[in-house]
Amino acid sequence: QKEVEQDPGPLSVPEGAIVSLNCTYSNSAFQYFMWYRQYSRKGPELLMYTYSSGNKEDGRFTAQVDKSSKYISLFIRDSQPSDSATYLCAMNSGGSNYKLTFGKGTLLTVNP
Amino acid sequence: DTGVSQNPRHKITKRGQNVTFRCDPISEHNRLYWYRQTLGQGPEFLTYFQNEAQLEKSRLLSDRFSAERPKGSFSTLEIQRTEQGDSAMYLCASSFTLRGTIYFGEGSWLTVV
Repeated sequence: QKEVEQDPGPLSVPEGAIVSLNCTYSNSAFQYFMWYRQYSRKGPELLMYTYSSGNKEDGRFTAQVDKSSKYISLFIRDSQPSDSATYLCAMNSGGSNYKLTFGKGTLLTVNP
Repeated sequence: DTGVSQNPRHKITKRGQNVTFRCDPISEHNRLYWYRQTLGQGPEFLTYFQNEAQLEKSRLLSDRFSAERPKGSFSTLEIQRTEQGDSAMYLCASSFTLRGTIYFGEGSWLTVV
């Protein structure tokens, strides 16, 4: 079992839809959770950064962390064609553990 | 501040040749990381520098790979005697603290033919 599981999709939605992206993980030491967006042949761009459980909202993006279920989500409201990209979840335990463990990424296409 | 800069962005090389990638981190960041990403996979950790000290190397980093960060500024990743399995995107990232957010560069694509 991989430490971080993420459905690779692809996921295709119409413009304006609410998108839900998810990851599960097995390492209970993970405390810092990130979502990166990656356009084709580009580097990952940090979208959301969350510590421990709870919700965090930034514009059209909401990140949720449920440590009891080892489950994290990213919601995108009013999705736009420009949101079409691969979304990567990443996490680490903080402290001296600086290595990020990534999911495989979910390929999202938002159709106009 | 223009973010993490990597070059070259693309490199095609013949098997057996040596290649070197350069990374310039965000100026105030003293922590620098190298990751490798293959198609359909998330990035995988290769190595980590705090200032000029290389503090960890992944088992993914075979003895054909060497990374340096002289004077704690830019970093280079050299791959000697390249193999087709080395074809990937090599990503550099930096952060200010261990708990700080980690920012990635645009990556350097390597194709070994």
